[in-house]
Amino acid sequence: QVQLVESGGGVVQPGRSLRLSCAASGFTFSDYGMHWVRQAPGKGLEWVAVMWYDESNPYYADSVKGRFTISRDKSKSTVYLQMNSLRAEDTAVYYCAKDSVAKEIAAPFDSWGQGTLVTVSS
Amino acid sequence: DIQMTQSPSSLSASVGDRVTITCQASQDINNYLNWYQQKPGKAPKLLIYDASNLETGVPSRFSGSGSGTDFSFTISSLQPEDIAIYYCQQYDNLPYTFGQGTKLEI
Repeated sequence: QVQLVESGGGVVQPGRSLRLSCAASGFTFSDYGMHWVRQAPGKGLEWVAVMWYDESNPYYADSVKGRFTISRDKSKSTVYLQMNSLRAEDTAVYYCAKDSVAKEIAAPFDSWGQGTLVTVSS
Repeated sequence: DIQMTQSPSSLSASVGDRVTITCQASQDINNYLNWYQQKPGKAPKLLIYDASNLETGVPSRFSGSGSGTDFSFTISSLQPEDIAIYYCQQYDNLPYTFGQGTKLEI
């Protein structure tokens, strides 16, 4: 079955960097778009970034544009989120999520990881 | 960006009640509207996609309707395990956006 396992979260000082990973299994990774969605403590869901199945045109929320970079490694079935210049407001649980339709640009998220907590604090 | 306005923000109901949550988009989203359920400490789970389609394995007491900018989500007979926060999400335009959530309590 589909599994998404995030890792890389932790406590980091403002201005520093962190890289999150999401290891995927149970499906043909190269056929599906992958997203990052975050949730600040006690708050709602905020979509962060997408890497489409064909690796075209990654897209970012305005709140992270220019600071975060999404990438994927097909050989490892892993999607990454490189987070630079971190701010206190980036503190959140970060989830990776998978598109539900193969080789589609835009689809609902049918599988999510368990999330990894990023805390930005001095 | 498309704004998603969900109401109510919280709702208290009894087991067996019919519960309805609404979601309004700031522009036509061509029915690219999903509903997710999030239980405490867990990842969200897709329940309804494209406004009215039930995700595989989701109980039939959950349903969705609507078009254009106005959508609704209904639980026909509330069960104790339905206690969660429910979110609508549009994926018609990037950036994808979520409603603020509806906390459902018994």
